[in-house]
Amino acid sequence: DTGVSQDPRHKITKRGQNVTFRCDPISEHNRLYWYRQTLGQGPEFLTYFQNEAQLEKSRLLSDRFSAERPKGSFSTLEIQRTEQGDSAMYLCASSLTSGDPQYFGPGTRLTVL
Amino acid sequence: EDKVVQSPLSLVVHEGDTVTLNCSYEVTNFRSLLWYKQEKKAPTFLFMLTSSGIEKKSGRLSSILDKKELFSILNITATQTGDSAIYLCAPYNYGQNFVFGPGTRLSVLP
Repeated sequence: DTGVSQDPRHKITKRGQNVTFRCDPISEHNRLYWYRQTLGQGPEFLTYFQNEAQLEKSRLLSDRFSAERPKGSFSTLEIQRTEQGDSAMYLCASSLTSGDPQYFGPGTRLTVL
Repeated sequence: EDKVVQSPLSLVVHEGDTVTLNCSYEVTNFRSLLWYKQEKKAPTFLFMLTSSGIEKKSGRLSSILDKKELFSILNITATQTGDSAIYLCAPYNYGQNFVFGPGTRLSVLP
């Protein structure tokens, strides 16, 4: 399977804990995106990378969120001091280049208790 | 601020019906618009539209873009229960990113 993969698929944590998610994009794709989706809403943009460079972060992304793509391949999204409002599906997508269709991974569902 | 409106937000039909889903947008530096289908998991890509008036077609699904009136429609003919999903549209703001609408939840009853 050469699609986008994400790990873990589900994460349950207690409020205040740190969590880290991983995304492996399609191998030749230069762009990697992180989105957050809550029930009844479309995906909400968080940040994206062009190779290893983080080019944009949403204004909605608080200082507790950080993302990396150290070698321009896989990416991690870390949430520090989780809050109940962080409970959502976190989606990763990749595309060949700017403006190309994005292909999504299966998502990581985070539940903060 | 970029804005995407999809209508209806929810739709229930019976197998065999034809449906039309609407997406209107206000996006600066518009370049293209994508349609996605989302079932229980992540969105899957359906169409990418860049030019007005040129219909994209895949089986029973088709879509068209009107860049002057700033909208797109997605048609599904002879619906099947497997078409039940959330359909998302996402215009692309050139130089920035895709902006996803809230989606239309389609339920196709047997």
